[in-house]
Amino acid sequence: EIVMTQSPATLSVSPGERATLSCRASQSIAGSLAWYQHKAGQTPKLLIYHASTRATGVPARFSGSGSGTEFTLTISSLQSEDFAVYYCQQYNKWPPLTFGGGTKVEIK
Amino acid sequence: EVLLVEAGGDLVQPGGSLRLSCAASGFTFGGYWMHWVRHVPGKGLVWISRINPTGRDTNYADFVKGRFTSSRDNAKNTLYLHMNSVRPEDSALYFCAREAPNGGNYYFDSWGRGIPVTVSS
Repeated sequence: EIVMTQSPATLSVSPGERATLSCRASQSIAGSLAWYQHKAGQTPKLLIYHASTRATGVPARFSGSGSGTEFTLTISSLQSEDFAVYYCQQYNKWPPLTFGGGTKVEIK
Repeated sequence: EVLLVEAGGDLVQPGGSLRLSCAASGFTFGGYWMHWVRHVPGKGLVWISRINPTGRDTNYADFVKGRFTSSRDNAKNTLYLHMNSVRPEDSALYFCAREAPNGGNYYFDSWGRGIPVTVSS
């Protein structure tokens, strides 16, 4: 099973600042990585797939990068609606499909 | 608009059974692979199962094999998760999710809001 590790667990950021979230795979997953945003009580939302492709309707301030075992989600200028929990997910080798533990982005 | 709505969550005793459902609308349900994923506070998201468009091909996480079964009724646009021999550690918020189209893209482009399941005596 591929283990996905996200860091930090919590990220405190002021509105308008840049946020950088990390996701590491226990073995190479090439570019088979997705990022999701989840707010409590709402449906999780696909942000990025294939490591760097923005999903339909996702603002350009969200960008993904990386390949192999190291990946990054960057939010260039945090808006109030961006405070949420973010998860990465690998889909290169499965079953099982595996997720990271999440990074909570909170208001500083 | 794609809509997935889970139902059937409840309080169930250890060793008991429960059936979750996921009603789909806004897309051709019978053309998509579907998944179940659960969320436990503090542990994040955990993948449970995948079912192909016809319902004849399924995959499961090891921790539910032999206990949970995924099925679907394309005429009713509904996905099911049959949960047997439940354990306290199965307590979670259960989501259904749609796999991205075009095959081989094992990530999720639409999710439901989730339904809570509590396993306790």
